[in-house]
Amino acid sequence: SQQGEEDPQALSIQEGENATMNCSYKTSINNLQWYRQNSGRGLVHLILIRSNEREKHSGRLRVTLDTSKKSSSLLITASRAADTASYFCARETQGGSEKLVFGKGTKLTVNP
Amino acid sequence: DAGVIQSPRHEVTEMGQEVTLRCKPISGHNSLFWYRQTMMRGLELLIYFNNNVPIDDSGMPEDRFSAKMPNASFSTLKIQPSEPRDSAVYFCASSFRGGQGRFFGPGTRLTVL
Repeated sequence: SQQGEEDPQALSIQEGENATMNCSYKTSINNLQWYRQNSGRGLVHLILIRSNEREKHSGRLRVTLDTSKKSSSLLITASRAADTASYFCARETQGGSEKLVFGKGTKLTVNP
Repeated sequence: DAGVIQSPRHEVTEMGQEVTLRCKPISGHNSLFWYRQTMMRGLELLIYFNNNVPIDDSGMPEDRFSAKMPNASFSTLKIQPSEPRDSAVYFCASSFRGGQGRFFGPGTRLTVL
């Protein structure tokens, strides 16, 4: 598959816990991006990490990238009920193309 | 900034009818993308434009699909004739080339009966 693959497909946790979602891909990337989608809404860009970066933070979000393993992870710390959504990784391939290939997503449920 | 604007938000039509989806990207963005989302196939890139020029339309499923971008502030995706398997949510997104990610519109939910 050309798509990134997220795992798990679904994750259910309690408020206050951390949530970790993983993404794997097969070809070399220019950058990898994470998006959130609330039910019935459009996608919202969360973080972009470039191929020469290993870790990035944004508020309660932490993204890591391991290009040798062709994998990335998104960590949400101290989760809240409002974090309930689907989370997608998307890879932009090398070569100057702006094609962004999305995975199938992880459906996160944070229980109050 | 109003964000990416799509219309209509919902469209219900009968098989064989022509469907036109519209998108207004964020002012100043020079790349525009059309995506389709279904449960079975996830998010698929259909076509994208840079500076109003189609760059990659390899994701357009068939000749029944066509897209235009006559100017920097407007794009259309047309399906003619529509079929039930075209039922999906169609998203438009825009970005500034080299920028930090795509800005998505709210989507158009298309149902073809």
